[in-house]
Amino acid sequence: ETGVTQSPTHLIKTRGQQVTLRCSSQSGHNTVSWYQQALGQGPQFIFQYYREEENGRGNFPPRFSGLQFPNYSSELNVNALELDDSALYLCASSGGGGGFSYNEQFFGPGTRLTVL
Amino acid sequence: GDSVTQMEGPVTLSEEAFLTINCTYTATGYPSLFWYVQYPGEGLQLLLKATKADDKGSNKGFEATYRKETTSFHLEKGSVQVSDSAVYFCALSDRTGNQFYFGTGTSLTVIP
Repeated sequence: ETGVTQSPTHLIKTRGQQVTLRCSSQSGHNTVSWYQQALGQGPQFIFQYYREEENGRGNFPPRFSGLQFPNYSSELNVNALELDDSALYLCASSGGGGGFSYNEQFFGPGTRLTVL
Repeated sequence: GDSVTQMEGPVTLSEEAFLTINCTYTATGYPSLFWYVQYPGEGLQLLLKATKADDKGSNKGFEATYRKETTSFHLEKGSVQVSDSAVYFCALSDRTGNQFYFGTGTSLTVIP
């Protein structure tokens, strides 16, 4: 069984650029969630995708957008990068349908984004 | 809005000591509560959870009880080991099940 994988591992961008991060969910999982973790902080929920639809969103501006594909993999896109977007971006997958209450999330190793 | 507050770290304990990491929450209705752990060099993983008031979650010798009257979900372990050294995150899922909130994390170091 393959776990959650994310690419790339590290990324350096400059302010104003756009970035796409990728996540492959664990086998059999149909839901993907994205989180932003600043250094020394807990992860902050960005959004969740279930069956290719956004199923919940945290307090992030519209320049953070996502996609989920028929194979349940997902992308996180961030436009007009700002210095404060520098963080570790985590992807988590879960099965059993959308919603967090009863479905365990399995986290990937993250993508470290640095914005200069 | 909903939120989680957990005790500041870092925490350093000797092996076999008793551990408590405090966690309190603010939420509308009845959230589900979780503890996640991040071991050095590894990804976040679920440690335990409780989905309704008075439920006790337990795993690997760790326990936490969902206390609605005190809005708390404190993590406890009777005798910590060096291998328990990690960062621990308290978290909640709101009553809709579509929002998730983590605390800031508490770093635990257990020394032999």
